[in-house]
Amino acid sequence: GAGVSQSPSNKVTEKGKDVELRCDPISGHTALYWYRQSLGQGLEFLIYFQGNSAPDKSGLPSDRFSAERTGGSVSTLTIQRTQQEDSAVYLCASSLDRIITEAFFGQGTRLTVV
Amino acid sequence: DAKTTQPNSMESNEEEPVHLPCNHSTISGTDYIHWYRQLPSQGPEYVIHGLTSNVNNRMASLAIAEDRKSSTLILHRATLRDAAVYYCILFNSQGAQKLVFGQGTRLTINP
Repeated sequence: GAGVSQSPSNKVTEKGKDVELRCDPISGHTALYWYRQSLGQGLEFLIYFQGNSAPDKSGLPSDRFSAERTGGSVSTLTIQRTQQEDSAVYLCASSLDRIITEAFFGQGTRLTVV
Repeated sequence: DAKTTQPNSMESNEEEPVHLPCNHSTISGTDYIHWYRQLPSQGPEYVIHGLTSNVNNRMASLAIAEDRKSSTLILHRATLRDAAVYYCILFNSQGAQKLVFGQGTRLTINP
């Protein structure tokens, strides 16, 4: 595809349910990043993948959050037992490799927990 | 991670140049200076980056101080579409492999 694709674009879920957010990076990009942005706030780093491994998971806020990447391509961010404070825009980015010259961001998934 | 300091907000007029400052007094020799911007309801987009020398591209220019402790992003002729939050970020290829976003500068363009 032409850019980073995220799905769904919007997700409303009930408190306590699990959600999965998907990211399709640009083909050939080995590095993939997840961020989240709460309303009116800056971007908060969550996790970084190089290939299928995640050398930096330091931003995951709790053990309810997990992510995986398969085939060096698609990544899924899973939030278990969602809470209202998980409501935010979740953004995915990819770059050609770990030395970032230019990172490309998707449009994000807006998650609302009610 | 080395930190950057930017004004919270700036305002300019359409068709005029805009100079967005960034201070990074603790920058190390291997820190690259990156600029991204985020338009309303969109993900961030890359603007420009540099190490020591000034850089130009189709979107903007990056002027880096000789001591590298500050830099300025220059939009040569602002349009309404340039209204966005602009982030100045230091990326060290030797360190953590991620972009750490601060609060950025919210740029308003007046017609």
